[in-house]
Amino acid sequence: DAKTTQPTSMDCAEGRAANLPCNHSTISGNEYVYWYRQIHSQGPQYIIHGLKNNETNEMASLIITEDRKSSTLILPHATLRDTAVYYCIVRDPSGGSYIPTFGRGTSLIVHP
Amino acid sequence: EPEVTQTPSHQVTQMGQEVILRCVPISNHLYFYWYRQILGQKVEFLVSFYNNEISEKSEIFDDQFSVERPDGSNFTLKIRSTKLEDSAMYFCASSDRGADEQFFGPGTRLTVL
Repeated sequence: DAKTTQPTSMDCAEGRAANLPCNHSTISGNEYVYWYRQIHSQGPQYIIHGLKNNETNEMASLIITEDRKSSTLILPHATLRDTAVYYCIVRDPSGGSYIPTFGRGTSLIVHP
Repeated sequence: EPEVTQTPSHQVTQMGQEVILRCVPISNHLYFYWYRQILGQKVEFLVSFYNNEISEKSEIFDDQFSVERPDGSNFTLKIRSTKLEDSAMYFCASSDRGADEQFFGPGTRLTVL
């Protein structure tokens, strides 16, 4: 997705926090930041989304900078099952299109 | 926990044949989607469906493709005359409101020989 930039790959030790960055410097006022992930050979899985406030759910936390030009997805205690490709997607849900555009994402490897 | 299901998990067909991929979305969801992912490539949007009609479609979704909700539970993707380049994983997804998170099924691997 040309609207976001993510590192190609990252690794993390099991039990540690995984912090996945995403740059979206051209984000507009109505656009939300969504995160999905795709475990190998499975369908994408929604994780979390936010507009400008930090968000937390049972899976992860989303930290959005004050200028909204970047965000970080935090998996607080990564497990081996969190090994997946993580997609950061920016879109305006009020714009009439409800379609997330998947880029290459970040391949996160959690190692023992 | 409710989930999206897809059948078959793997479909092998000959070039030129018609295939129908089936999906059962989450029961109270109103928005339905098909995506595909060619091996090693990005997940690509094909079509979205709401209120018994297509609401959005991509350039990939040409006249060879069609979707249908034949009853209250199934959502199908038909490819009329398959080509080698249709070989991919096909994912169905659903959501209860258009702008909310989409729930994806496990996918159908289509192999066209």
